[in-house]
Amino acid sequence: SYELTQPPSVSVSPGQTASITCSGDQLGNKYVCWYQQKPGQSPVLVIYQNRKRPSGIPERFSGSNSGNTASLTISGTQSMDEADYYCQMWDSSTASYVFGPGTKVTVL
Amino acid sequence: QITLKESGPTLVKPTQTLTLTCTVSGSSLSSSEISMGWIRQSPGKALEWLAIIHWDADKRYSPSLKSRLTITKDNSKNQVVLTMTNMDPVDTGTYYCAHSVARGSYYVFDYWGLGTLVTVSS
Repeated sequence: SYELTQPPSVSVSPGQTASITCSGDQLGNKYVCWYQQKPGQSPVLVIYQNRKRPSGIPERFSGSNSGNTASLTISGTQSMDEADYYCQMWDSSTASYVFGPGTKVTVL
Repeated sequence: QITLKESGPTLVKPTQTLTLTCTVSGSSLSSSEISMGWIRQSPGKALEWLAIIHWDADKRYSPSLKSRLTITKDNSKNQVVLTMTNMDPVDTGTYYCAHSVARGSYYVFDYWGLGTLVTVSS
């Protein structure tokens, strides 16, 4: 089965840029989306189709995907961005949706 | 405004069958390009996709849980139902219902319910 890899944690200072990676075999050939989950809350879609933002998601959230790695970048990180972030893709070979293990972003 | 509400038992015994219902408001399940999924999360763990049912009732399941899962929908009630057989304590977790729309060649989960915590214990 297809596996996605994410770093367990990322720390960032307020106002700085946080980058979260998601790795998988030839991931750049697939569409990736990203979800934000704050403690005790349901996930929220923040990026889809690698780089598109749903309405209401701040412009400081951006995405990219190339080679074997997709990335979620938070520019000018704010304390409200502290959350777990999950990447997700569709694995056509198994006709299944796959989530990454998640990355905890801490704003110090 | 799309809202989703999960309902079902909070406690099930091992070997029992779990039945969860998701009631959808603000979106019609009979509309094309609208699908509904179920995702779960064990305490302190990552999200795990379980199943999805498309507007035309086409269904897909997690390969590792396929033998235990059934997803159905009732367009007249705007509800989606997930059943999971032979429950085990490792199935304890929060079960989320999610609204899904087509984006390119696949679907994204754009609205989520609050989730319902299911505990499996004797």
